Amino acid sequence: GQQVMQIPQYQHVQEGEDFTTYCNSSTTLSNIQWYKQRPGGHPVFLIQLVKSGEVKKQKRLTFQFGEAKKNSSLHITATQTTDVGTYFCAGLRRNDKIIFGKGTRLHILP
Amino acid sequence: DTEVTQTPKHLVMGMTNKKSLKCEQHMGHRAMYWYKQKAKKPPELMFVYSYEKLSINESVPSRFSPECPNSSLLNLHLHALQPEDSALYLCASSHRHRDRLDKSGNTIYFGEGSWLTVV
Repeated sequence: GQQVMQIPQYQHVQEGEDFTTYCNSSTTLSNIQWYKQRPGGHPVFLIQLVKSGEVKKQKRLTFQFGEAKKNSSLHITATQTTDVGTYFCAGLRRNDKIIFGKGTRLHILP
Repeated sequence: DTEVTQTPKHLVMGMTNKKSLKCEQHMGHRAMYWYKQKAKKPPELMFVYSYEKLSINESVPSRFSPECPNSSLLNLHLHALQPEDSALYLCASSHRHRDRLDKSGNTIYFGEGSWLTVV
């Protein structure tokens, strides 16, 4: 069955602290995507990683794809209240299935 | 803002009703998806259409019936639903990844969803 594990499930951080969420797949992924969903909203695409060992940055967000293409991480530097939401990774399998991790809910304490 | 449009945004239906959710995209995407999302859970894949043909059905009960009239439209017909079917139903679209040599074609663009309540 589908296996994209994501940890932690919840994370509370003080505003200004860093935050990291991790995804692990039981099988090799063709690529991995990251989405953010605000409370009451829909998932919004953030980035896609395709190459083994790839690292991409978007302002305070850093995304990594593992060498074996089985794991990935999202790191946010100096969190802000606008970062609140649930962050999902999603892995593409060979048969067009895109499977989501369970998500990490980020809460920012002022 | 999303380029995938879903209607209605909210739907309340009885267990004997027949209703439909509609989705439209004009990005030229040839893969379209229905996902179901319960509160505090990830989106759960239901169906995938590729070039207007059903390519994946994740063992969804027959009370959910998808339809893809053309490359821009995707419907989800609902009949005899149960209260536990209440959820956010998300439509999404993408290029098929096999259509893009760099495998970057599968970025999913979600609509804002239809909030379904079955009473």
